[in-house]
Order: sequence, then C-alpha cells, then structure tokens
Amino acid sequence: AQSVAQPEDQVNVAEGNPLTVKCTYSVSGNPYLFWYVQYPNRGLQFLLKYITGDNLVKGSYGFEAEFNKSQTSFHLKKPSALVSDSALYFCAVRDIGAGYSTLTFGKGTMLLVSP
Amino acid sequence: GAVVSQHPSRVICKSGTSVKIECRSLDFQATTMFWYRQFPKQSLMLMATSNEGSKATYEQGVEKDKFLINHASLTLSTLTVTSAHPEDSSFYICSALTGAGGTGELFFGEGSRLTVL
Repeated sequence: AQSVAQPEDQVNVAEGNPLTVKCTYSVSGNPYLFWYVQYPNRGLQFLLKYITGDNLVKGSYGFEAEFNKSQTSFHLKKPSALVSDSALYFCAVRDIGAGYSTLTFGKGTMLLVSP
Repeated sequence: GAVVSQHPSRVICKSGTSVKIECRSLDFQATTMFWYRQFPKQSLMLMATSNEGSKATYEQGVEKDKFLINHASLTLSTLTVTSAHPEDSSFYICSALTGAGGTGELFFGEGSRLTVL
C-alpha cells in the first residue's frame, strides 16, 4: 500500500518569509513523489516531482522540495512567499515497485500568505 | 505541458436526472484516465481507473452502476452520474496518464462542479 501524510491542515506565513509545507510518505518500493497546487474551484496544477537523482528538486513558481529517504519526507519549500501562493497544496506518491499507476494524495495543506 | 480538458465545468441538475462529464486529453493519447471526487476542503478520492477499450476498475465503495465510466477512445473518457441525488453533489476531477506504466505523468482537468437540486 502507499500513503501520504500532510500533518498540517493550514500553514500561515507572512509575505517575503520562507515557507515549508510538510509531507511524509509510506511505500513498499521506490517512491515517485509529487506536489500539486489547487486554486478554488480549479483542477490540480503540477509543481514538481521527484523520481531519482538529486534530492533537491526545483519546480514551478520558485518552489522546491527535498527528498529525504531516511525520514521518508518530501517537504515543499519556497525561500520567499507571495500572497499569490495562497492555495491548497497536495503531496502525492506513486509506488512504482508495487505497480501502481495512480497517485495517492495527502489530505492537503492550505497555505495562507498574509501581506 | 500536456492539456486535459474537462466539460462541463459547472452543472446543475434536478434530482433523478443523469449527468455526463467529459474528460479529453487534447495533445496526447491516454490509455489510462482516472476519476476523482473531492469534497469541500478535503483531498481527492479516487473513484475509478478508466482504461481505453476495457471496463473501468472501481475503488471499493464506489457504485459502478451509479457512476458509469466509458473510455471510448485514447483521448476521451466520460463519467455519467446516473439518477443523481443531492448527496452526489461534489467536485469531480479527471486525470490522464501519459506514457505507459508507472513512469508516466498525470495531468489533471480543471474539474466539474456538480450540484444536484
């Protein structure tokens, strides 16, 4: 089985400050890890993914995420938050070793960036 | 990136009627598409996996006679909510898988807001 945990329902940060949205995962094989962002009444937009290689992955809109195998984490980060970053963020995992083609999503974390 | 189009984006219907939602991959062929349901302020719940040319695979607890899925071509999957009731009101999102197997990438439609009166 594959699962994802996003321990925070909401993260509040002031504009210009760094932000972190936490994600931990559980898989039986090798994980493919993803971050998506969702704006109200919209579908999901892809931010970044980790498959193999460098543990620090850079994605869209200045976001990055660090894969930590020992801690089974894939936290999303941005050095300087913007008000426009306020949205719902989903971490997702696909367990390739188990033959999954679909993603399992975390419950989502609402990011609120205040001016 | 690849584009997935979902239509309609919003639909309001009366209880007892059926509603069809289309999911199209516009610039790639998708042998596999997925249908999700999302309740307010909650995560996406996988409803079913749609494979072109074969029957959909439904997740546990999802009524296949209620939510009819047809994947008639490599670019189109449809979800039909039959005899809709107010509890079927939700946000439905499709995604399409590029490539084969586990290394393909998923692209999502913009979602369809269904309101059943």
